[in-house]
Amino acid sequence: DVKVTQSSRYLVKRTGEKVFLECVQDMDHENMFWYRQDPGLGLRLIYFSYDVKMKEKGDIPEGYSVSREKKERFSLILESASTNQTSMYLCASSHQGVNTGELFFGEGSRLTVL
Amino acid sequence: AQSVTQLDSQVPVFEEAPVELRCNYSSSVSVYLFWYVQYPNQGLQLLLKYLSGSTLVESINGFEAEFNKSQTSFHLRKPSVHISDTAEYFCAVITSGTYKYIFGTGTRLKVLA
Repeated sequence: DVKVTQSSRYLVKRTGEKVFLECVQDMDHENMFWYRQDPGLGLRLIYFSYDVKMKEKGDIPEGYSVSREKKERFSLILESASTNQTSMYLCASSHQGVNTGELFFGEGSRLTVL
Repeated sequence: AQSVTQLDSQVPVFEEAPVELRCNYSSSVSVYLFWYVQYPNQGLQLLLKYLSGSTLVESINGFEAEFNKSQTSFHLRKPSVHISDTAEYFCAVITSGTYKYIFGTGTRLKVLA
């Protein structure tokens, strides 16, 4: 069964803390994504990676960075967490060059910043 | 810029009644269209997709959607809903040759007994 695994389902952090959200996929996908999901706003793309060490900014990259050192792993980093980053974070992956376009999602990481 | 509109944020419906969840997109170029479903406390799962060919696409659990190019719509329908269909449904579009998926804001379907 194909899988995208997010390391933490629930996190509570304090303002100013550095936060790491990890995502691992076992499908040998080239593309990996980090989205933020908020009620009434749908999914907004934070960052996208199409290959190891490659990244592109999405629609809302401010306050976030990413790391992709290995093909299967894509990390989202909040350098200094703020209360407005309280949200659900979803990782996803897809094949590059295969026009099925389907995204495979992890179960999400719900982050609360106090 | 590409956009996706889901006008209904919530849709309550009684069990065994039909339902339609609306989705409109803005692009006039070649697009791929998707419906994803999110059950409580889970990530999104693909429900169905339109890539090319027949404009009517179906899922394994009785949902269907029709691609209407002239109306730039991809509405999701089910003739008879079950309690287990209670979830949030997201319409998404990607333009051919790009990586960027655009999601609608979601429609929360609540099936009532």
